[in-house]
Amino acid sequence: QVQLVQSGAEVKKPGSSVKVSCKASGGTFSSYAISWVRQAPGQGLEWMGGIIPIFGTANYAQKFQGRVTITTDESTSTAYMELSSLRSEDTAVYYCARGRKQQLVRGPFDYWGQGTLVTVSS
Amino acid sequence: SYVLTQPPSVSVAPGQTARITCGGNNIGSKSVHWYQQKPGQAPVLVVYDDSDRPSGIPERFSGSNSGNTATLTISRVEAGDEADYYCQVWDSSSDHAGGVFGTGTKVTVL
Repeated sequence: QVQLVQSGAEVKKPGSSVKVSCKASGGTFSSYAISWVRQAPGQGLEWMGGIIPIFGTANYAQKFQGRVTITTDESTSTAYMELSSLRSEDTAVYYCARGRKQQLVRGPFDYWGQGTLVTVSS
Repeated sequence: SYVLTQPPSVSVAPGQTARITCGGNNIGSKSVHWYQQKPGQAPVLVVYDDSDRPSGIPERFSGSNSGNTATLTISRVEAGDEADYYCQVWDSSSDHAGGVFGTGTKVTVL
């Protein structure tokens, strides 16, 4: 059974950066895309970007282009999402999610991490 | 950018049928996926590729997609179906492809 375990909650200052990790177990890591989806308090889901580890090139939502970096470490089956220039509006729960189909970033997403709360506050 | 519109809320009595719509321009040409999210939990995939169900999802959950509207149908609604539901597609119509989620629908079981 595939499991995605994310790093713990973070509190950051405006203007700083945050890096969230997502460690996969129980499946083949390299061939399945990992996407990052965030959810602001009381709001809906928002796709930020995704990466297929075996290819190493990430796709980013236009809204986050230039501010988000998604990477993977195949040796540890871990994906990372780094968001820079943080502002209060970035306060949200950040989820990693695995694509159901091999070598496709587009989804659907059938396994999800438990979520990581990132709070941006001065 | 591509927009998916869902009704904010749907109320249904136990045992009845809930229908949740997801509207988008020519959405019938795209594959639509549906997620259920309960408070404090991560989303769960309940329908993918318009009408397929992952293993472990009850047959009560079904989907359809045509024209400008996709629909998630929950038959014989149970109290445990109370949750937020989101549709999702991949938009490759612009020069910047990406995932798009609907606005979300809160299903209340009366």
